[in-house]
Amino acid sequence: DAGITQSPRHKVTETGTPVTLRCHQTENHRYMYWYRQDPGHGLRLIHYSYGVKDTDKGEVSDGYSVSRSKTEDFLLTLESATSSQTSVYFCAISARGGDRNQPQHFGDGTRLSIL
Amino acid sequence: ILNVEQSPQSLHVQEGDSTNFTCSFPSSNFYALHWYRWETAKSPEALFVMTLNGDEKKKGRISATLNTKEGYSYLYIKGSQPEDSATYLCAPQNRDDKIIFGKGTRLHILP
Repeated sequence: DAGITQSPRHKVTETGTPVTLRCHQTENHRYMYWYRQDPGHGLRLIHYSYGVKDTDKGEVSDGYSVSRSKTEDFLLTLESATSSQTSVYFCAISARGGDRNQPQHFGDGTRLSIL
Repeated sequence: ILNVEQSPQSLHVQEGDSTNFTCSFPSSNFYALHWYRWETAKSPEALFVMTLNGDEKKKGRISATLNTKEGYSYLYIKGSQPEDSATYLCAPQNRDDKIIFGKGTRLHILP
């Protein structure tokens, strides 16, 4: 299994609070992605990174920010959480050694509930 | 990447029968097409990544084809087994490495 760790695995918080989710990899992969999973929508891309300090928006980036200060960590931040951001969040990594047509490997997901 | 369509949304297949489903995607700015298998309560698992028009990939009883000019891919499962029950996701990757998923085809294998 690819070395991907998401933390926390579960979190319950209140509307208006800041939340940061962490994705940590031990594979030295260049690309990292954050998705959210919601019923009826499948997986939707929030943000992705193609290198340290290189990030770009996905389909549903409003209300989210990301940072990648080192290869192994990709942080997803909800500056002020809203109930609509209740979801399961998946991190994915890909492209060992810069080979671009490698598959993604997914973490186990973070279940986030915003009350 | 917009308008990634997978059909059908849901499919019931008798054990032992073969089946196939479709992924359609915009052909502009295309780089690769990914297929994933997603079981309930687990994480998506990669099946194939295809890049060239006419590509065919096979993994056991599962195979896939790719037509980049018209923007579609087919996934085939031969002799369905209960363990094939899952959601099958396709995801085109563009040249900016953005990977967008379709909503998936949910496959149920009937004993």
